[in-house]
Amino acid sequence: GAVVSQHPSWVICKSGTSVKIECRSLDFQATTMFWYRQFPKQSLMLMATSNEGSKATYEQGVEKDKFLINHASLTLSTLTVTSAHPEDSSFYICSAPAETNYGYTFGSGTRLTVV
Amino acid sequence: AQSVTQPDIHITVSEGASLELRCNYSYGATPYLFWYVQSPGQGLQLLLKYFSGDTLVQGIKGFEAEFKRSQSSFNLRKPSVHWSDAAEYFCAVALDTGRRALTFGSGTRLQVQP
Repeated sequence: GAVVSQHPSWVICKSGTSVKIECRSLDFQATTMFWYRQFPKQSLMLMATSNEGSKATYEQGVEKDKFLINHASLTLSTLTVTSAHPEDSSFYICSAPAETNYGYTFGSGTRLTVV
Repeated sequence: AQSVTQPDIHITVSEGASLELRCNYSYGATPYLFWYVQSPGQGLQLLLKYFSGDTLVQGIKGFEAEFKRSQSSFNLRKPSVHWSDAAEYFCAVALDTGRRALTFGSGTRLQVQP
């Protein structure tokens, strides 16, 4: 139980375009979703926290106008990278609190490459 | 400031040898503690977690970790490493698993020699 499905698993886009990443909770209701970014050979850094029905909370240094987060339902949270640039190329992972075991469940990640 | 430290960036061990990966945290209270493993280009897999109780925690794949309050540590151990254990290992902490995100250490890359 407590599965988060993340799509796409990888995407290549041109500079200036936008990319949407989806995370769906398949068998539970995710009132909260955390979005992380991981650059090559680095750790996971929290970008933002989304809560269903309210505005996302962004970490310091993360541009909210560039990384649009929507959490319109209890089963879907999306991250849209707007006007993507090569420096946005990274591995993006979503995560939700897993209510059943007081842990966290993670999506499988999205590898974004901006060319 | 609250932080999670993994002092070893890269560790190489021989197959069959024992392994210990270090993790130290700096928080006002005892946080919830986790160890994750990540293979190249893959997502995260939970190895084990500690919330309370017995300070020696057993996880998957033969891993265990010991919580030492006096040392603010949560080191990961395995008695005999297999080649398939080569991966990146992350220690992570959270103060409140319901509302707070995990904070990850910088990671330790494990290389296993034949």
